[in-house]
Amino acid sequence: DGGITQSPKYLFRKEGQNVTLSCEQNLNHDAMYWYRQDPGQGLRLIYYSQIVNDFQKGDIAEGYSVSREKKESFPLTVTSAQKNPTAFYLCASSSQGSGANVLTFGAGSRLTVL
Amino acid sequence: EDKVVQSPLSLVVHEGDTVTLNCSYEVTNFRSLLWYKQEKKAPTFLFMLTSSGIEKKSGRLSSILDKKELFSILNITATQTGDSAIYLCAVDSNYQLIWGAGTKLIIKP
Repeated sequence: DGGITQSPKYLFRKEGQNVTLSCEQNLNHDAMYWYRQDPGQGLRLIYYSQIVNDFQKGDIAEGYSVSREKKESFPLTVTSAQKNPTAFYLCASSSQGSGANVLTFGAGSRLTVL
Repeated sequence: EDKVVQSPLSLVVHEGDTVTLNCSYEVTNFRSLLWYKQEKKAPTFLFMLTSSGIEKKSGRLSSILDKKELFSILNITATQTGDSAIYLCAVDSNYQLIWGAGTKLIIKP
C-alpha cells in the first residue's frame, strides 16, 4: 500500500540532545513537508522540499534541520537549539509543489523533552 | 497577514444530530480551500473547494465555499460516534497552505 511512514511514533529526549525523526514515502511524490502541531494551534510549517537536494524554510524553521538526499526520504532533526521541542510532528507529501495540491500525511511522531 | 479562523473550537453533540463547522479566511491570493479530518494521528483529506456555491458531498458530509464572504462550511448530518475528530481547514494562498486551529468535534452516544 502506498503511503507515508513516520518513525518513531513516540520519542523521549533529554534537554540538550538532538533527535532525528524519519519520514519515508512510496507515493512517488515530489514535494515533502514537515509540520508541527500544538494543541489549539493550526499546523505550522517547519521545512518543505519540492525536489531532491533542495529544501526551504517554513514559518518556524529555527532549531530544526532537514535533508532530502532521496525522493522517498525527508528526515527532520530537532536540535538542542529548539527552545520548546515537545510537540506532535507530522510529515506530508504532495505530487505538485508546495501547498499546490492535496497533502497526504503520515501518522505523526510525538516528541517529549524531559 | 494571511489567516484562517475556524469556529467553534470545540463542539459536543449527541449521535444523530447535524453539525455545521465554519472556516473563514483572509488571504492574499486564494487558490483553494481544503478540509481534513484528524482522528488520532494522520489527517485525512475530505474535500477541496475552489469555486463558490458548488457543494461537494461525500456520504453524510458536505461542504460549500463562499468566495464573496470568504468562508466555507462543513456539514455532517446524522452524526455517528466515528465522526468524533478534529476537523482542519486549510487555505492555499500563493501555493502555501495556511491552517486553521481546527474544530474538535465530540459525538456522544
